[in-house]
Amino acid sequence: KAGVTQTPRYLIKTRGQQVTLSCSPISGHRSVSWYQQTPGQGLQFLFEYFSETQRNKGNFPGRFSGRQFSNSRSEMNVSTLELGDSALYLCASSFYPRGPSYEQYFGPGTRLTVT
Amino acid sequence: DQQVKQNSPSLSVQEGRISILNCDYTNSMFDYFLWYKKYPAEGPTFLISISSIKDKNEDGRFTVFLNKSAKHLSLHIVPSQPGDSAVYFCAASAEETSGSRLTFGEGTQLTVNP
Repeated sequence: KAGVTQTPRYLIKTRGQQVTLSCSPISGHRSVSWYQQTPGQGLQFLFEYFSETQRNKGNFPGRFSGRQFSNSRSEMNVSTLELGDSALYLCASSFYPRGPSYEQYFGPGTRLTVT
Repeated sequence: DQQVKQNSPSLSVQEGRISILNCDYTNSMFDYFLWYKKYPAEGPTFLISISSIKDKNEDGRFTVFLNKSAKHLSLHIVPSQPGDSAVYFCAASAEETSGSRLTFGEGTQLTVNP
């Protein structure tokens, strides 16, 4: 079974631009979450989607947004990029948002560099 | 407010010995805990998890122990292998208050020496 895939793997943008990152969950998984990893802040939760609805949102500015499609694929968008947005963006999927036995499986991430 | 803390940034052990990674949490609403392993430039790989209704879960060489009264969990790797060298993250989830959102610790770099 294929794992979580993320595209692109690497991206270089300049300040003020916007970027869209894509995530395809494991087949059959319907919940997708996004995380940002930086050296200073570690792994921080961005948002979670299930059945095309945002269920949970982390403490990030409104420049960060996302959506989920009917096939469970998800995209996240960052507008008006800032230097501090340089990070590894990770997508994770699970069957359902939560349950008695619950694990999130991560993709390889998209490394975004803002210059 | 760091709700999940891994106080040891690094740990070095000899091949074949036991590795013990520790994690402390402050949020009493956390009801599910997970350990992930991460190599550079890759996403975290799920290792093992434990529900708050249990105090131990074992999977092969990996065992996670949960002490709810102390708000402490640990991951034991026995025997340790050089391929286990990676950053290990502890994560927690509180279904009632934040659904499936995972809160991560800062990570511990494990080095297993041959």
